Amino acid sequence: DAGVIQSPRHEVTEMGQEVTLRCKPISGHNSLFWYRQTMMRGLELLIYFNNNVPIDDSGMPEDRFSAKMPNASFSTLKIQPSEPRDSAVYFCASSFRGGVGYTFGSGTRLTVV
Amino acid sequence: SQQGEEDPQALSIQEGENATMNCSYKTSINNLQWYRQNSGRGLVHLILIRSNEREKHSGRLRVTLDTSKKSSSLLITASRAADTASYFCVTETQGGSEKLVFGKGMKLTVNP
Repeated sequence: DAGVIQSPRHEVTEMGQEVTLRCKPISGHNSLFWYRQTMMRGLELLIYFNNNVPIDDSGMPEDRFSAKMPNASFSTLKIQPSEPRDSAVYFCASSFRGGVGYTFGSGTRLTVV
Repeated sequence: SQQGEEDPQALSIQEGENATMNCSYKTSINNLQWYRQNSGRGLVHLILIRSNEREKHSGRLRVTLDTSKKSSSLLITASRAADTASYFCVTETQGGSEKLVFGKGMKLTVNP
């Protein structure tokens, strides 16, 4: 398995633009997590899905953020409109309940100018 | 889930020395996990220890768990420059969801 795959690796966009981050979890994993990491706030959990259903989105900062998981092999995190304070590294992770820990992707470094 | 609190927050050692990192938590757990993050990369799962286990080994890693003190330690033996990274401990709480909430982590620097 190629692991958790995120795209793009880097994204630079202008304030006000829509940004879509993508994640392909490990086949067979039934939970998927989106995290955001900044120097100031560390690693924050934004939302997680179990069996494609959003379970906890209490970490989503505001309505500008939305996440979907249309099937077991794909998830998106969308920011519309983007703002400079959204600049961060966004990580996707997947796991299997009862398994051994999370597997993280390499992250998407987002810069909003 | 609950954050673990790593201690110390930063540690600098020479290559070949052992590194010990400690973690404390507050409530009853199902398991405790340690992760490593190299600069600019995603987190990598190192080891999981269940609440009914007291010690676990994986290569140069040794993890202990003391549920009576609500604490864990991660020992890296014969450290290498490549072990330079941030290390996080995180717990899955009893009766809690499977989401993991990460703390600030601990920065380990291994000098060649």
